[in-house]
Amino acid sequence: DIQMTQSPSSVSASVGDRVTITCRASQGISSWLAWYQQKPGKAPKLLIYAASSLPSGVPSRFGGSGSGTDFTLTISSLQPEDSATYYCQQSNSSPWTFGQGTKVEIK
Amino acid sequence: EVQLVESGGGLVQPGRSLRLSCAASGFTFDDYAMHWVRQAPGKGLEWVSGISWNSGSTTVYGESVKGRFTISRDNAKNFLYLQMNSLRDEDTALYYCGRDVERNKWRGVDQWGQGTLVTVSS
Repeated sequence: DIQMTQSPSSVSASVGDRVTITCRASQGISSWLAWYQQKPGKAPKLLIYAASSLPSGVPSRFGGSGSGTDFTLTISSLQPEDSATYYCQQSNSSPWTFGQGTKVEIK
Repeated sequence: EVQLVESGGGLVQPGRSLRLSCAASGFTFDDYAMHWVRQAPGKGLEWVSGISWNSGSTTVYGESVKGRFTISRDNAKNFLYLQMNSLRDEDTALYYCGRDVERNKWRGVDQWGQGTLVTVSS
């Protein structure tokens, strides 16, 4: 299985800050990476797929980049409603695998 | 509006079976790959299984459930299923049904149900 490793495991930032979360795959996955946001008690929400594509309705402050083994999720200007846990997931090969999650808190 | 509604969860003893269902509406069901994703209490997300669009000829499984769980779909009824056999304590989780983001592709899960809780305990 492909292992997905996220860093950091948690981050605390102020409203308006730029926040970056990284995800590393144990082997190359081309651009087949998705990012999800999950708030407590809620189902996950897809933020990014195919490394950099935004589904309709996702705010433009969320951006994704990378290919191969190294990927980044960037929140360009952190908002209070962005407090959540973020997960990466590879869809290059079965079984799909998730990272362990990054908790984003607002200072 | 896309809706996914899971059912069939509950308390079950180790070694027993359970079948989860997911009723889909608001989209052309057989155009999309479908998935099951689970989350153990207080833990992260784990992808469980996926099934391809149309006839569902391709099914894939996570290592922890391979050989015990079977995913299937009924396109006439717009239902997704997960047959879970030989259940273990570690299968205890909230199980989500999900739809892929793009037609006829495997990309990511953009529509989610509310989840159904499976508790495996004696």
